[in-house]
Amino acid sequence: EDKVVQSPLSLVVHEGDTVTLNCSYEVTNFRSLLWYKQEKKAPTFLFMLTSSGIEKKSGRLSSILDKKELFSILNITATQTGDSAVYLCAVNSNSGYALNFGKGTSLLVTP
Amino acid sequence: GAVVSQHPSRVICKSGTSVKIECRSLDFQATTMFWYRQFPKKSLMLMATSNEGSKATYEQGVEKDKFLINHASLTLSTLTVTSAHPEDSSFYICSGLAGGYNEQFFGPGTRLTVL
Repeated sequence: EDKVVQSPLSLVVHEGDTVTLNCSYEVTNFRSLLWYKQEKKAPTFLFMLTSSGIEKKSGRLSSILDKKELFSILNITATQTGDSAVYLCAVNSNSGYALNFGKGTSLLVTP
Repeated sequence: GAVVSQHPSRVICKSGTSVKIECRSLDFQATTMFWYRQFPKKSLMLMATSNEGSKATYEQGVEKDKFLINHASLTLSTLTVTSAHPEDSSFYICSGLAGGYNEQFFGPGTRLTVL
């Protein structure tokens, strides 16, 4: 059975800190790994990773995938209070386009 | 980016009634739509995969007679929760898959509360 495990489950940091969120997975016929940010409503897309070792970057956020060790990390530098959210990792396999989500990491950035 | 809308955004109903939730892709044709459910402080769980013009594929443990899915056009899928009960109260989110892309575009979600 496919499995996506995120850690930590929750995290509290001060503004300006750098955080690293982890996502490990076990999936048959891996196709891609996606990161989403969820505040009060539906998830908003951050990154999609398909190849190992290639960092994707968007402002203060970056992510990388290791297909050999079956994990991905999401980094947020110089955190701001607006980064407070649940960050979801999801994996997609070749058996279809449905996403298998992890439980998420709840990040709280305090002023 | 592609936009998916859901209606209603919030609904409160009495136990035993049926509720229909609409999911529309506004600026693209969604050959496939997905329905997810999210309970408080939990992650999204896939309920079913819906392909235009064919029957939906339900995940294990999701009752197809209780959660009726219709995907009659490339821009509209509906989820009907029949004879809703308080344990069906949840956040229901749909997503659309644009043809040729490996990316899902999520709707804003519908919060269902069954009294």
